[in-house]
Amino acid sequence: DIQMTQSPSSLSASVGDRVTITCRASQGIGSNLGWYLQKPGKAPKHLIYAASSLQSGVPSRFSGSGSGTEFTLTISSLQPEDFATYYCLHHNNYPLTFGGGTKVEIK
Amino acid sequence: EVQLVESGGGLVQPGGSLRLSCAASGFTFSDHYMDWVRQAPGKGLEWVGRIRNKANSYTTEYAASVKGRFTISRDDSKNSLHLQMNSLKTEDTAVYYCARIPGGTTKYYGMDVWGQGTTVTVSS
Repeated sequence: DIQMTQSPSSLSASVGDRVTITCRASQGIGSNLGWYLQKPGKAPKHLIYAASSLQSGVPSRFSGSGSGTEFTLTISSLQPEDFATYYCLHHNNYPLTFGGGTKVEIK
Repeated sequence: EVQLVESGGGLVQPGGSLRLSCAASGFTFSDHYMDWVRQAPGKGLEWVGRIRNKANSYTTEYAASVKGRFTISRDDSKNSLHLQMNSLKTEDTAVYYCARIPGGTTKYYGMDVWGQGTTVTVSS
């Protein structure tokens, strides 16, 4: 099974900050990766597909990059509604696996 | 509006069974693969399994943790997805989400639309 390792597991940031989250795959997955945001008690929301393509309706401050084994999610200017937990997901083969999550908290 | 609504969660004893359902609306359900994903209390997301569409013979895939105990099915005539859970264990306690797989021209085989989730508690 492919393991997805996210870092950091948590971070504190202020509104307006640039935030970067990393996801590493235990083996190459091409661009078969997505990113999700989840707020407490709510379903995940899809942000990015194919490692770098923005899902329709998602603000342009979110961006994704990478391929192979290393991927990043960047929020260019953190907004109050962005404080949440972020997950990466690979869909290169079965089983699909999520990263452990990165909790973005208010500094 | 594209929508997925889960139902059927509840409290069940270890060794028991439960059947979850997911009602889809606002899109052509029969075109899409569909997944179940779960989240144990205070934990991260775990993929449970997938059912493909008719064009792909409704074949299924499962996580090792549920294979042989859980069965995913669908009824395209009713736009519904199901998860039959047997031989339940305390570690199956989680919120269960159904999710749509966009596939097609996007070539994205992760989830794009999620339901609100239904809670399953396995406890004596």
